[in-house]
Amino acid sequence: GENVEQHPSTLSVQEGDSAVIKCTYSDSASNYFPWYKQELGKRPQLIIDIRSNVGEKKDQRIAVTLNKTAKHFSLHITETQPEDSAVYFCAASPRGQNFVFGPGTRLSVLP
Amino acid sequence: DTAVSQTPKYLVTQMGNDKSIKCEQNLGHDTMYWYKQDSKKFLKIMFSYNNKELIINETVPNRFSPKSPDKAHLNLHINSLELGDSAVYFCASSQGAGRETQYFGPGTRLLVL
Repeated sequence: GENVEQHPSTLSVQEGDSAVIKCTYSDSASNYFPWYKQELGKRPQLIIDIRSNVGEKKDQRIAVTLNKTAKHFSLHITETQPEDSAVYFCAASPRGQNFVFGPGTRLSVLP
Repeated sequence: DTAVSQTPKYLVTQMGNDKSIKCEQNLGHDTMYWYKQDSKKFLKIMFSYNNKELIINETVPNRFSPKSPDKAHLNLHINSLELGDSAVYFCASSQGAGRETQYFGPGTRLLVL
């Protein structure tokens, strides 16, 4: 089955700096890669996703890149703000099957 | 206009008891899920339910059973609760499985004493 790894497990950045979170997956049949943000005490919410026919996608300050050959994808957050502090989860979805989530990255944006 | 709702929000109970958590979605989705999030924040899928097809994560004890009275509801029943069942349980829904956005409920924090 699919296995998703995520690094780093914790990340601290200064406000205004960029943050990068990386994930790798094992199943080459995976074709959908969402990223979820979970603020403290709240529910996970989708922030961006990418499908296997696209190499990069951007939405304002966040972007995701996908390298299918290497089976890894990354989340990039630019100009970080305190409200970006949260746990971020990547996930991979083999065709038509349920998501497999990574273990999460706790991002802290320091003022 | 809550999309995915769960009740109760908090549940404190004794070991050995049986409890249920309810989930409802008003998005018209045909797939619903239950996830367990432990103290280390790992999100593990327990069940998915689509058009009466139940897919069970093989690691889930058979003390846990999902019940779906209709497409908009997927309840979670837990028998003989154990200390290790303490976690936050999230319900979610999506329009189809796989490549679709999942919308999560607010979570139910279960504490077994």
